[in-house]
Amino acid sequence: GESVGLHLPTLSVQEGDNSIINCAYSNSASDYFIWYKQESGKGPQFIIDIRSNMDKRQGQRVTVLLNKTVKHLSLQIAATQPGDSAVYFCAERPGTYKYIFGTGTRLKVLA
Amino acid sequence: DTGVSQDPRHKITKRGQNVTFRCDPISEHNRLYWYRQTLGQGPEFLTYFQNEAQLEKSRLLSDRFSAERPKGSFSTLEIQRTEQGDSAMYLCASSSVAGGPDNEQFFGPGTRLTVL
Repeated sequence: GESVGLHLPTLSVQEGDNSIINCAYSNSASDYFIWYKQESGKGPQFIIDIRSNMDKRQGQRVTVLLNKTVKHLSLQIAATQPGDSAVYFCAERPGTYKYIFGTGTRLKVLA
Repeated sequence: DTGVSQDPRHKITKRGQNVTFRCDPISEHNRLYWYRQTLGQGPEFLTYFQNEAQLEKSRLLSDRFSAERPKGSFSTLEIQRTEQGDSAMYLCASSSVAGGPDNEQFFGPGTRLTVL
């Protein structure tokens, strides 16, 4: 299958620990942000989203934080599991239907 | 419905040939997107359809690229006179317009193009 992100920044986390993946976005006009998970050979899978009028949103085991002042987005994964191993992308929507994806971070969960 | 499907999954072609990819979105999804992804990079937006109308098109989409969605259901992406730099994964995504613009995009598995 397709190997995603051969030369991406890598975050290695012990199973059960919390993970924090960071993303800097580029457009101050972006009003909507999404985190995606991509496993090898598959298309990106939606994890969680947040609108620009919020600074925090929680899902199941995941939290997204948005800091518009410094144009920074983070994804927190609680109690990281082996199935969380993948490449994670943030995406911003600069006011239209066009989405701009970041470079991505590879998350490796160590047993 | 089993999600967004793309065909073929893999395509190997010689430089200069034309290729066409197909995307079948989730039923009743009005919005359809095409992206290109190269190794180590995030998906790059190519174009967006709402029903049969192509509403947005990236500057990345040169005149060799054309996309259609004639009946507002499936879509095709054609690349003419392929170049080695066109080698990439081509991803399709769809979402519903109901409820507003923030609806989740569902991605297909992609078509991997290799231009020799």
